[in-house]
Amino acid sequence: DAKTTQPTSMDCAEGRAANLPCNHSTISGNEYVYWYRQIHSQGPQYIIHGLKNNETNEMASLIITEDRKSSTLILPHATLRDTAVYYCIVRLSRSFNKFYFGSGTKLNVKP
Amino acid sequence: DVKVTQSSRYLVKRTGEKVFLECVQDMDHENMFWYRQDPGLGLRLIYFSYDVKMKEKGDIPEGYSVSREKKERFSLILESASTNQTSMYLCASSPGTGGDGYTFGSGTRLTVV
Repeated sequence: DAKTTQPTSMDCAEGRAANLPCNHSTISGNEYVYWYRQIHSQGPQYIIHGLKNNETNEMASLIITEDRKSSTLILPHATLRDTAVYYCIVRLSRSFNKFYFGSGTKLNVKP
Repeated sequence: DVKVTQSSRYLVKRTGEKVFLECVQDMDHENMFWYRQDPGLGLRLIYFSYDVKMKEKGDIPEGYSVSREKKERFSLILESASTNQTSMYLCASSPGTGGDGYTFGSGTRLTVV
């Protein structure tokens, strides 16, 4: 599976959009981009995933560049409860394939 | 709305004890996984299973075994607990169809003294 690179930490003001970048320059054509987050002392929570097209759900938007070598997770109106570690993962589409979690980005949402 | 349930939130065990960590999912998922999470090391895969009675080693299987007798239940066994197995243990499941992600449990924080 392709490796990912994320900034160690980011700050965001409450109510503003949080844009979390991820580089995955070695991604292959059948690898999906997934985003998870982990709030302190809880299990990771699925946010969104995509293959080529941009995706949006009730939690976030995922923007994938045309060459698929990077992506951005957007939380449109960050709240204090969005403070968490955000993981960007790329994974083959086979269902039993393992997820490799890197170190993620610690997002600090500040009042 | 609980989907992946880990039997204990916190456990304290003694060195040398046999420890069972239980995980149950109610989503009829084929695949189940056990990870441990340690500061600075992220999540590391211990074992996974893609079918009943099937198991595959992950990246750090030493000192652990697993059991999957029923589709909904995946147990992690520490045959003889050691202090270096003190960690947060996370169970996850995923469906058999491609493209879907994991659902994680809330984790079990195990302390071996």
